[in-house]
Amino acid sequence: DAGITQSPRHKVTETGTPVTLRCHQTENHRYMYWYRQDPGHGLRLIHYSYGVKDTDKGEVSDGYSVSRSKTEDFLLTLESATSSQTSVYFCATKRDYLNTGELFFGEGSRLTVL
Amino acid sequence: DAKTTQPPSMDCAEGRAANLPCNHSTISGNEYVYWYRQIHSQGPQYIIHGLKNNETNEMASLIITEDRKSSTLILPHATLRDTAVYYCIVEKSSGDKLTFGTGTRLAVRP
Repeated sequence: DAGITQSPRHKVTETGTPVTLRCHQTENHRYMYWYRQDPGHGLRLIHYSYGVKDTDKGEVSDGYSVSRSKTEDFLLTLESATSSQTSVYFCATKRDYLNTGELFFGEGSRLTVL
Repeated sequence: DAKTTQPPSMDCAEGRAANLPCNHSTISGNEYVYWYRQIHSQGPQYIIHGLKNNETNEMASLIITEDRKSSTLILPHATLRDTAVYYCIVEKSSGDKLTFGTGTRLAVRP
């Protein structure tokens, strides 16, 4: 357990509004990830970070931006939310490069865009 | 990255072994096989991973064929709490960007 806290856990918003999801971890893990999960698609990687201020795009990054100014926090921002971004968002962490593949996941944030 | 193929659903009786197959015929030499599971709507949970040797931990065993083109996750004594979606993932050694498919939905029957 990497002590991962996602906030908010549930959010309903309207199309066109900005939304920021926060992922906070207490284990000093180097890598952090944002995934989204939709029916029929499994989990898809949005963005990830391999250190403070070091981020990269995943397979579904359009419409999303991220920031990591501190090791413990990874923010996912939807600048102008659309209905297609209604989803469950999961944050994950990994200790370091040598820690092959073991990701720790948060409990998810359910976002509904009306 | 190599793709994986899993059956969409399986079931087994409580107390029996659950054997979940995964095909990964295009796996490369430096790619590991990872297994995760997701119980209901919780975040996925790591189970086990391996390169070419069989692996066992407190949760499960992973059997990888000699040609590495397929593998089987074994839950030796399935319980109702093992009902979940199980994901087989093939990824490079660093595992920086694990790609999840749709997995196998395992139902454990009383």
